[in-house]
Amino acid sequence: GAGVSQTPSNKVTEKGKYVELRCDPISGHTALYWYRQSLGQGPEFLIYFQGTGAADDSGLPNDRFFAVRPEGSVSTLKIQRTERGDSAVYLCASSPNRQGPYNEQFFGPGTRLTVL
Amino acid sequence: DQQVKQNSPSLSVQEGRISILNCDYTNSMFDYFLWYKKYPAEGPTFLISISSIKDKNEDGRFTVFLNKSAKHLSLHIVPSQPGDSAVYFCAASAAQGGSEKLVFGKGTKLTVNP
Repeated sequence: GAGVSQTPSNKVTEKGKYVELRCDPISGHTALYWYRQSLGQGPEFLIYFQGTGAADDSGLPNDRFFAVRPEGSVSTLKIQRTERGDSAVYLCASSPNRQGPYNEQFFGPGTRLTVL
Repeated sequence: DQQVKQNSPSLSVQEGRISILNCDYTNSMFDYFLWYKKYPAEGPTFLISISSIKDKNEDGRFTVFLNKSAKHLSLHIVPSQPGDSAVYFCAASAAQGGSEKLVFGKGTKLTVNP
């Protein structure tokens, strides 16, 4: 079946601009996660949705970052007034809502954001 | 302060031999551990996981061992194949505590030579 998809695959923008990154989770997965991966690092957690609500946004670095999931499926990560330090690969993952706490997360291919 | 550490940035093994990738963690609340494999320009692919109630989980050529007292886990791949060449990430979560977020190590680049 179809995996997690993310668009665009690459985004180049100028410092100070606004960007939106989109994630389509695996059909039926209720949990959705955003991570950010910088060069030479592992993915770092940003935010987690269970359904439509943000259950944990403790990883968002500052108030320039915001994410929504209005219908409990597709999610959009929004970055205002982009800075060069925001350049990274933004990864989205989803997981099924099985009973119990141990649910593996399935990742999309990522969006590579470059801020010039 | 890194809570999940993969101290070997790279590992090179011969085809057919065993690959052992190591991971250490510091947070005693972690109770669910996962290994992901990542090829360039792709997202991480889930490989295998283990919860803290077990000390071993096996899936084909992949086995994960967990030593809770040492806060250490390892991934064994046997026999190693050239297609296993990728970056391997160890990740952990405090799942029973209600935390769904994964904390990742920096990764180990595995090269399997034919």
